[in-house]
Amino acid sequence: SQTIHQWPATLVQPVGSPLSLECTVEGTSNPNLYWYRQAAGRGLQLLFYSVGIGQISSEVPQNLSASRPQDRQFILSSKKLLLSDSGFYLCAWSDVAGSTDTQYFGPGTRLTVL
Amino acid sequence: AQSVTQLGSHVSVSEGALVLLRCNYSSSVPPYLFWYVQYPNQGLQLLLKYTSAATLVKGINGFEAEFKKSETSFHLTKPSAHMSDAAEYFCAVSRRGYNKLIFGAGTRLAVHP
Repeated sequence: SQTIHQWPATLVQPVGSPLSLECTVEGTSNPNLYWYRQAAGRGLQLLFYSVGIGQISSEVPQNLSASRPQDRQFILSSKKLLLSDSGFYLCAWSDVAGSTDTQYFGPGTRLTVL
Repeated sequence: AQSVTQLGSHVSVSEGALVLLRCNYSSSVPPYLFWYVQYPNQGLQLLLKYTSAATLVKGINGFEAEFKKSETSFHLTKPSAHMSDAAEYFCAVSRRGYNKLIFGAGTRLAVHP
């Protein structure tokens, strides 16, 4: 069966510091991968998605970037965090071979920027 | 463009009462529709999905949803609420093969004893 991992689970960072969040998927090959952010009271915002290694699409201009160095690894980064980057970050995957676009989510990372 | 509207950001029911969470969608093509549940500080868990088979879809934890094309709705129901159902629920729509989901703003369900 497929599993998705995210780490760290929680993170407290000062403004201006760098960020690296990691997501890995097991039990599937060539998945679509997604990064979402949930800010307090604002629902889910799609940040990036990837259909393959090195292929990243950005949905929202912002202070963040994403990379996919391996088939089942998706990384969210920032060079300098802003207060507005605080939130709950969720990684998700979907099966490219499937036809229903179902996404499966990881446990999330709670980021607090102070 | 596709969109999802969840009516009611907060819904409160008594334990044992009917749960009804409303979702209306907009899509120019036959959509896929999803309901997800999120417990505090956790990721989203798939409750059920509609992919053009039966219009009444049964999911986990006793939830079901009915796709009504004429009403462009996909409301989530459960006959009898349990305390453990307290969570946030998200409706989502996908254009087939588009590989992206459009989420509603979410409905927070509270269950009272």
